[in-house]
Amino acid sequence: GAVVSQHPSRVICKSGTSVKIECRSLDFQATTMFWYRQFPKKSLMLMATSNEGSKATYEQGVEKDKFLINHASLTLSTLTVTSAHPEDSSFYICSATAGVSFQQTQYFGPGTRLLVL
Amino acid sequence: GENVEQHPSTLSVQEGDSAVIKCTYSDSASNYFPWYKQELGKGPQLIIDIRSNVGEKKDQRIAVTLNKTAKHFSLHITETQPEDSAVYFCAASKTGGFKTIFGAGTRLFVKA
Repeated sequence: GAVVSQHPSRVICKSGTSVKIECRSLDFQATTMFWYRQFPKKSLMLMATSNEGSKATYEQGVEKDKFLINHASLTLSTLTVTSAHPEDSSFYICSATAGVSFQQTQYFGPGTRLLVL
Repeated sequence: GENVEQHPSTLSVQEGDSAVIKCTYSDSASNYFPWYKQELGKGPQLIIDIRSNVGEKKDQRIAVTLNKTAKHFSLHITETQPEDSAVYFCAASKTGGFKTIFGAGTRLFVKA
């Protein structure tokens, strides 16, 4: 149980294009989903928190217009990197919780490696 | 705000030996402490967690201890195997809509 999938696992795109990453909870309803960015050999950096049907809450320093998050259903959240540039290249990971409070366990997806040329 | 410090950053052990990773947290209101294992190129996987009303929890070769007074918790892996090699992250969170704070990670190498 508590499986989270991400698609695609890897994506290469040209600078200036937009990329959409999907995060799905496969066997539970996710009240809250989180999007993280991870640099090589570094810890997880929270980008934003999203609840189904409401606007995402972005962390300080994360551009809302750059990283668009949509949490359309209790099993799906998407992250769109708009007008991607080489500095956006990174490992993006989503997680989901099933509980009503943030204390509940976060289950992570396998991650998406983005390379912007 | 909450801060979680994790030590050591790198740990190398011989197969069969034990490995211990320690974390300290700053917010005394934190009440949930998960541990994640991340293999290269993959997402973190929950391996064990502990809540503040418990001092110790064990699952086969893995155990976690919590000292609320000292605000630190530790991961213990016994009889290590090469497949235990990975990066381990500790984390802390509290109820009330607050985010989870992760440690910097410990890279564990188990030498065969």
